[in-house]
Amino acid sequence: ETGVTQTPRHLVMGMTNKKSLKCEQHLGHNAMYWYKQSAKKPLELMFVYSLEERVENNSVPSRFSPECPNSSHLFLHLHTLQPEDSALYLCASSQVGEGQETQYFGPGTRLLVL
Amino acid sequence: GDSVTQMEGPVTLSEEAFLTINCTYTATGYPSLFWYVQYPGEGLQLLLKATKADDKGSNKGFEATYRKETTSFHLEKGSVQVSDSAVYFCALSRMDSSYKLIFGSGTRLLVRP
Repeated sequence: ETGVTQTPRHLVMGMTNKKSLKCEQHLGHNAMYWYKQSAKKPLELMFVYSLEERVENNSVPSRFSPECPNSSHLFLHLHTLQPEDSALYLCASSQVGEGQETQYFGPGTRLLVL
Repeated sequence: GDSVTQMEGPVTLSEEAFLTINCTYTATGYPSLFWYVQYPGEGLQLLLKATKADDKGSNKGFEATYRKETTSFHLEKGSVQVSDSAVYFCALSRMDSSYKLIFGSGTRLLVRP
């Protein structure tokens, strides 16, 4: 148990659907992250939120829309996705500052876009 | 820019064999270094870390030493078990940003009984 939970664990959606991924951290951290893990590709950082403000957005298509309503919750809203967006989406959290840069990951949501 | 290079996998070993997974890095300054492990169907778990040169991180029988002179952080274990079968990721934390972990491509380890 890493203290970071993600729901749902698996998701199948059509290209015209709208869905949301949820992440919750119970570690009291002040930063949260979304990563994409595709087969045979390095882990890709998508978004970073620190103190509930987005501080990084790595050229992610607008069909992915993050939301961070408070320091414990992070969402990834999905709409009109493409089959190539099928991947494992990982959430992570960390305590930024004072050298505490270790990130703790959730179990991921495996997404299949048909 | 900063980068992490890991040995290509898969690495296949028999139970109780000695494990080494190589990791080298390129970075400005002195980043922190990490090994994460991903078991089948799960997310990444922190395995060990080292924050300065000559530090040794260790956990669950795994060890890695931060070698500044060779810019390496090789993962070792003296006797692997079937349950160690997983994908192992080496990563560094950029000095100019507390937010970014740079990951290697991962090395799959398969341990046979």
